[in-house]
Amino acid sequence: RKEVEQDPGPFNVPEGATVAFNCTYSNSASQSFFWYRQDCRKEPKLLMSVYSSGNEDGRFTAQLNRASQYISLLIRDSKLSDSATYLCVVNVGNNNDMRFGAGTRLTVKP
Amino acid sequence: DAGITQSPRHKVTETGTPVTLRCHQTENHRYMYWYRQDPGHGLRLIHYSYGVKDTDKGEVSDGYSVSRSKTEDFLLTLESATSSQTSVYFCAIRGGQDNEKLFFGSGTQLSVL
Repeated sequence: RKEVEQDPGPFNVPEGATVAFNCTYSNSASQSFFWYRQDCRKEPKLLMSVYSSGNEDGRFTAQLNRASQYISLLIRDSKLSDSATYLCVVNVGNNNDMRFGAGTRLTVKP
Repeated sequence: DAGITQSPRHKVTETGTPVTLRCHQTENHRYMYWYRQDPGHGLRLIHYSYGVKDTDKGEVSDGYSVSRSKTEDFLLTLESATSSQTSVYFCAIRGGQDNEKLFFGSGTQLSVL
C-alpha cells in the first residue's frame, strides 16, 4: 500500500462548481500535511498547509481527519485558472521524508 | 521565489554515461532535496541534505549519488545512466516561517536513450 494515495481523476467540472479531493495516508504518526498545485510541465507550488482544526484561504478549504487518516481540499466557485493537478503531501516520520500523492487532475470548463 | 535554479533544464544522454544535475540556491537554506517525478508515482525522494557534506538517502536512492560541498549547491549524479532514470528531476529547499514547507526549482527533464 502506498504511503499517500489520491484519486487520480480526472475531475472535469464546469465553472462555478464546487469540487472536493481526498487524500489518504497510512502513517498515523504523520504531523505535517500540505496541498500543492502543479501546472503542466511546471514545478509544484504550495497551495496551502492543512491544520488540525481545518483552514480556509479564499475559495479553498483544507481539512484533516486524523481518525480516518485523510486530508481533503474543497474548491468553491471553480475558475478556469484552477485547472491543474493537485498533490497532497504528508510527512512520514520526520519532515525530511515528505511523501507525495500521485496527484488529482482537475479541469474546469467554461 | 525561493531562489532555486536547476541546470540543465533539459538533457538527453545515452545509457551508461555519467550525468550530473545541479541545484543552486541563494537563500542559505540548510535542507535541500532531490525528487524525481514519473507518471503514476508522483514525486519520490532520491536524496536529501541537511548541511554541507551531510546527506542521506531517500525512497529511491539506488543508482544516484549526491554531494554538497557548499551550502548553495546540491549536485545529483547518475554514475551510469539507465533508461529507467528518464524522468523529471526537481530540486527543493525546505523553508517558510515554520521551516516545514518545500519550495521547488523549475525541474530538469532528463532523457536516457
